[in-house]
Amino acid sequence: KAGVTQTPRYLIKTRGQQVTLSCSPISGHRSVSWYQQTPGQGLQFLFEYFSETQRNKGNFPGRFSGRQFSNSRSEMNVSTLELGDSALYLCASSNNNPGVGANVLTFGAGSRLTVL
Amino acid sequence: DQQVKQNSPSLSVQEGRISILNCDYTNSMFDYFLWYKKYPAEGPTFLISISSIKDKNEDGRFTVFLNKSAKHLSLHIVPSQPGDSAVYFCAARDSNYQLIWGAGTKLIIKP
Repeated sequence: KAGVTQTPRYLIKTRGQQVTLSCSPISGHRSVSWYQQTPGQGLQFLFEYFSETQRNKGNFPGRFSGRQFSNSRSEMNVSTLELGDSALYLCASSNNNPGVGANVLTFGAGSRLTVL
Repeated sequence: DQQVKQNSPSLSVQEGRISILNCDYTNSMFDYFLWYKKYPAEGPTFLISISSIKDKNEDGRFTVFLNKSAKHLSLHIVPSQPGDSAVYFCAARDSNYQLIWGAGTKLIIKP
């Protein structure tokens, strides 16, 4: 079974530009979550999508947005990039049965964004 | 405010000895706690979890202990192996089924 695939793996942008990151979840997983990881910080939750609907949202400005398609693939977009947006962006999928045990997330390798 | 804290940014342990990674939390409503391991250039991978109604869960060399009164959990790795060198994150699940993450502890296993 293929894992979570994120593209691109690395990218460099300049301030003011926008970026779109893509995530293909594990087949059969309908929940996709996005996280931002910066040095010294834990994983900061951006948002979660389930069946094409944003179900939960973290504490990030409106420049960060996302969507999920009918095949569960997800994209996140960051507009008007700032230097502080440089980070590793991680996508995770789960089969999300919240009432049954811990909802274990399976992560992709991440997209490392550098903003110059 | 940080609801989940890993106060040690790094930990160095001799190969073959016990590694103990610690995590403190503030929200008594968390119902599950999870540990993930992360190698450079890879995403975090799930290690072990524990329900808030338990105080111990064991899986091979990995044991997680939960002390609810102290709002503290720990991950024990025995014996430590070179391949255990990685960053370890603890995470706690809140009432919205979202995971709240600690900042991570970098574990270095010395040969």
